[in-house]
Amino acid sequence: ETGVTQSPTHLIKTRGQQVTLRCSSQSGHNTVSWYQQALGQGPQFIFQYYREEENGRGNFPPRFSGLQFPNYSSELNVNALELDDSALYLCASSGDGNYGYTFGSGTRLTVV
Amino acid sequence: KNEVEQSPQNLTAQEGEFITINCSYSVGISALHWLQQHPGGGIVSLFMLSSGKKKHGRLIATINIQEKHSSLHITASHPRDSAVYICAVKRPNTGNQFYFGTGTSLTVIP
Repeated sequence: ETGVTQSPTHLIKTRGQQVTLRCSSQSGHNTVSWYQQALGQGPQFIFQYYREEENGRGNFPPRFSGLQFPNYSSELNVNALELDDSALYLCASSGDGNYGYTFGSGTRLTVV
Repeated sequence: KNEVEQSPQNLTAQEGEFITINCSYSVGISALHWLQQHPGGGIVSLFMLSSGKKKHGRLIATINIQEKHSSLHITASHPRDSAVYICAVKRPNTGNQFYFGTGTSLTVIP
C-alpha cells in the first residue's frame, strides 16, 4: 500500500469534455505534484501544490488546473479534453523538508 | 535533448543474469531516484541517492556526482523483476519537481 490513493483508476471521456481526477495523500504531506505520462514516455511534470497554493508549473496549458485541500486531498482538472490528453496521470506527495515521496498508482484517462 | 537519459531503452535477460541500467543527467541535482513501474502504472520508489551507493536486497544503486551518472544493478535477476525502471532527478530549489528519464523496459525470461 503506497499511502497515496488516486481515483478513478480508469476513465473514458469524449473530446471537449471536462474531467476531474482525485488524489488522497498521506496525512502530513503538504506537497503534492501531478504528472502526465503518455504511453511509452517518462512522466512529465504538470504542477505542484504546497499548502493549497500552486508553487510550480510545467509546460501545460491553463486548461490543466488543480486544487489542494486542507485534508491532504487534491484534484487535477482538465477542461476541453483533447485526444492527446490520453495518458496515465500520477500524483506524488511528500512531507515538509523531506525529499522522500510517495506516488499513487495513477488514473488512466482515455479521450475518444 | 532530455535532461535525463537512460540506457538501454529495452533489455531482455535470462533469469539469474546480472543487469545494469544506466542514467546520465545534464543538470545540477539535489537527489536522484530510481523508480519501478509495473504494467498498469503504479510507481514504486526503489532508491533515493545524493551520493555513493545504496543496496536493498538484490538491488544496488550507485551515483557519481562528478560524472553526472547513476547505475541501477539487479543481481540474480528474476522474472518478477520485469518492469520499467525510471531514473528521476530532483533539481535544487524546485520543490518536489522531478525530471524523468523515459525508462528502461526490462523483461526477465525464466
